[in-house]
Amino acid sequence: QQQVKQSPQSLIVQKGGIPIINCAYENTAFDYFPWYQQFPGKGPALLIAIRPDVSEKKEGRFTISFNKSAKQFSLHIMDSQPGDSATYFCAASKEYGNKLVFGAGTILRVKS
Amino acid sequence: DVKVTQSSRYLVKRTGEKVFLECVQDMDHENMFWYRQDPGLGLRLIYFSYDVKMKEKGDIPEGYSVSREKKERFSLILESASTNQTSMYLCASNTGGTDTQYFGPGTRLTVL
Repeated sequence: QQQVKQSPQSLIVQKGGIPIINCAYENTAFDYFPWYQQFPGKGPALLIAIRPDVSEKKEGRFTISFNKSAKQFSLHIMDSQPGDSATYFCAASKEYGNKLVFGAGTILRVKS
Repeated sequence: DVKVTQSSRYLVKRTGEKVFLECVQDMDHENMFWYRQDPGLGLRLIYFSYDVKMKEKGDIPEGYSVSREKKERFSLILESASTNQTSMYLCASNTGGTDTQYFGPGTRLTVL
């Protein structure tokens, strides 16, 4: 079963729009929540990550919102650009550095 | 720059063949991981290793084995390839005590 549920499966937005990708988890032992970005032909690369002691983390145009009570977290991309077109994976871990559990992925296309 | 390399980008094998996928990292990382990536399922952990000659099963180890004889090299072995092992295989590594996993570009394996 999928321990981390990610939605939507795919998303198309216009340039400048704010795509939002959502993830939900069940295991309250998870204490690290990263987002990975994957371009075609490449391996995933860490984009941004959050721990449950904060409700929001921002790095450039990328923001993670975290709701501990709802066991949900989401990725927002401000002022999206065609270069942001990629597959995005949320993940969770309960051991520092090991055994990430990934969501199913969201294919984002930003139209110019 | 961290570099994780995988021996092949594309591989075509026959059912029943023994298949070796090789991964090498150049950053002296303790931990190494093998995932498979399938559409709609995200990345699923097959095996990981936290030290030379040490290994732990991930979520889907059936039909696979691994070998880590040197710190920089982690091999995934399909003892008798089957068509349901057709997939993208991703290797990753990180240093114990840090969270970011660094991924290789992947090997797309087709089993006929």
